[in-house]
Amino acid sequence: GQQLNQSPQSMFIQEGEDVSMNCTSSSIFNTWLWYKQDPGEGPVLLIALYKAGELTSNGRLTAQFGITRKDSFLNISASIPSDVGIYFCAGQLRKDTDKLIFGTGTRLQVFP
Amino acid sequence: IAGITQAPTSQILAAGRRMTLRCTQDMRHNAMYWYRQDLGLGLRLIHYSNTAGTTGKGEVPDGYSVSRANTDDFPLTLASAVPSQTSVYFCASSRTVTGELFFGEGSRLTVL
Repeated sequence: GQQLNQSPQSMFIQEGEDVSMNCTSSSIFNTWLWYKQDPGEGPVLLIALYKAGELTSNGRLTAQFGITRKDSFLNISASIPSDVGIYFCAGQLRKDTDKLIFGTGTRLQVFP
Repeated sequence: IAGITQAPTSQILAAGRRMTLRCTQDMRHNAMYWYRQDLGLGLRLIHYSNTAGTTGKGEVPDGYSVSRANTDDFPLTLASAVPSQTSVYFCASSRTVTGELFFGEGSRLTVL
């Protein structure tokens, strides 16, 4: 089936640092989403992107829908301990029709 | 506001036994989904339902069945559990067939 390549697989950073992660595919997606999963909980939607080139922020988080529609990026500025968790990208090939395809996740650890 | 409730939270099951994971949502969402989460594989769709009375197969449906008798409930049944079904199972819902999913807190299933 379709796959989303998410990188890096894990990150260990110091509090206050900025973080970047990305998701790529060989297919064109019409929707990109980013979710965060806290330990022991279900994923929670962070940002949804619906147009190529779109740049959207949610507090210290910024995500971009790649211009080729085959990738997306998530940046976290000035990381804090509560940013710890697994971040998943997800794509939808056709909006409102196809089911989400999830990336394999980026595990983020933040050290004080 | 409960959102999505899953039960049980965790279960240890002997191989060959039948098991039903329960999922209830109180948001009146039309679409519901079951995902399994395995280390290194991200979230994979098992079955989905776009609206009450309809169901569909996801990426990894073998060994699982679902029903959607009403809007609120979407149980997942393992007819005869096998060790490879050891996983964390997440139920999710969305208002329409969009990518903006709301997840439950998960059910951890161990099949011995």
